[in-house]
Amino acid sequence: NAGVTQTPKFQVLKTGQSMTLQCAQDMNHNSMYWYRQDPGMGLRLIYYSASEGTTDKGEVPNGYNVSRLNKREFSLRLESAAPSQTSVYFCASSGGRESGGMDEQFFGPGTRLTVL
Amino acid sequence: AQSVAQPEDQVNVAEGNPLTVKCTYSVSGNPYLFWYVQYPNRGLQFLLKYITGDNLVKGSYGFEAEFNKSQTSFHLKKPSALVSDSALYFCAVRVAFQKLVFGTGTRLLVSP
Repeated sequence: NAGVTQTPKFQVLKTGQSMTLQCAQDMNHNSMYWYRQDPGMGLRLIYYSASEGTTDKGEVPNGYNVSRLNKREFSLRLESAAPSQTSVYFCASSGGRESGGMDEQFFGPGTRLTVL
Repeated sequence: AQSVAQPEDQVNVAEGNPLTVKCTYSVSGNPYLFWYVQYPNRGLQFLLKYITGDNLVKGSYGFEAEFNKSQTSFHLKKPSALVSDSALYFCAVRVAFQKLVFGTGTRLLVSP
């Protein structure tokens, strides 16, 4: 099993450009998440999807949109990138409802995004 | 607000010595607590969790954590540190169904 995969690994954008970060998991998990990691701030939740067909805002959703394409895939879109969105982005997944919402999350390797 | 705090940005310990990485929490209701580790240029890996029951939780790679309700703490411990334990450690608390809030992380440096 590959676990959680993310593409691309690195990306440089200019201010105002758009891009989509892709995430897929092969663990048959119900829930998926997008986080950003910034120095000194830990991980902050951008959006999450508790199950296929649902998405909800996290702590820092402004400037982002998400799509839960199917059970395996959860993408994050930056419509008009800003320098403040320079960060490392992590996708994660977890089992979800059957486990009572108390199971651990599995993380992808991350996407390092720089916005100039 | 429901949160976790990791009061130390960095912890230094010599190989073979015991290590402790501190975490305190603030939640309403029963706390569900997690520890994760991040190696350079990698995603986070789950170490252990406390849901209910025994206050001493054992996890991966010889790590354990002690839940203390009166002190609202969940400190990560290991009896004998290895150089390969050097990494960034995150404490997290569940604040709603399937939602975690992470601390700011503690860098552990184990010297040979």
